Amino acid sequence: SQELEQSPQSLIVQEGKNLTINCTSSKTLYGLYWYKQKYGEGLIFLMMLQKGGEEKSHEKITAKLDEKKQQSSLHITASQPSHAGIYLCGADPGTASKLTFGTGTRLQVTL
Amino acid sequence: NAGVTQTPKFQVLKTGQSMTLQCAQDMNHNSMYWYRQDPGMGLRLIYYSASEGTTDKGEVPNGYNVSRLNKREFSLRLESAAPSQTSVYFCASSENGFRNQPQHFGDGTRLSIL
Repeated sequence: SQELEQSPQSLIVQEGKNLTINCTSSKTLYGLYWYKQKYGEGLIFLMMLQKGGEEKSHEKITAKLDEKKQQSSLHITASQPSHAGIYLCGADPGTASKLTFGTGTRLQVTL
Repeated sequence: NAGVTQTPKFQVLKTGQSMTLQCAQDMNHNSMYWYRQDPGMGLRLIYYSASEGTTDKGEVPNGYNVSRLNKREFSLRLESAAPSQTSVYFCASSENGFRNQPQHFGDGTRLSIL
């Protein structure tokens, strides 16, 4: 089965700093989803990447898909306290099978 | 927009008790899912319903049953709760299946089994 490893597992950054979260798959990535979760809440869909080399941005968050490396990265520019939470990646297995999710990266943004 | 609504938000049960978690979506999605989230384990699929009238087992179905009541509603039942089922349960929906479309999640049900 496909496994997703996220790095780092946790991250503390000062407000205004940039950061990158990585999601690496044990198998070919046919698509990759990024979600954000705040404590006590559900997962909020951020972005979906479907093609190798694809890059999408929403506000200060940019996600890229590197098919060859079987990896996706999520980059936050000029972090804000509102960016704090747990970021999870989910992989499209390329078949009718289920999505696989990473265990998440916990982000704290300090003032 | 309500999206995916789960009830209850919190529940404490004793071992052996039964309970049904409710989920409803108002996005006219065909597919619905139940996940559990445990520390260090990520999200694991319990059951899913690709379309109204169908249900299939996911990764961790033992101890659970589901009912796709209609297109909007998908419930998860614990017949005889066990401490190992203490978890946060999420319901999700998508337009059609797993591929090429995001799943939209509810806020979760935090379930403790004593």
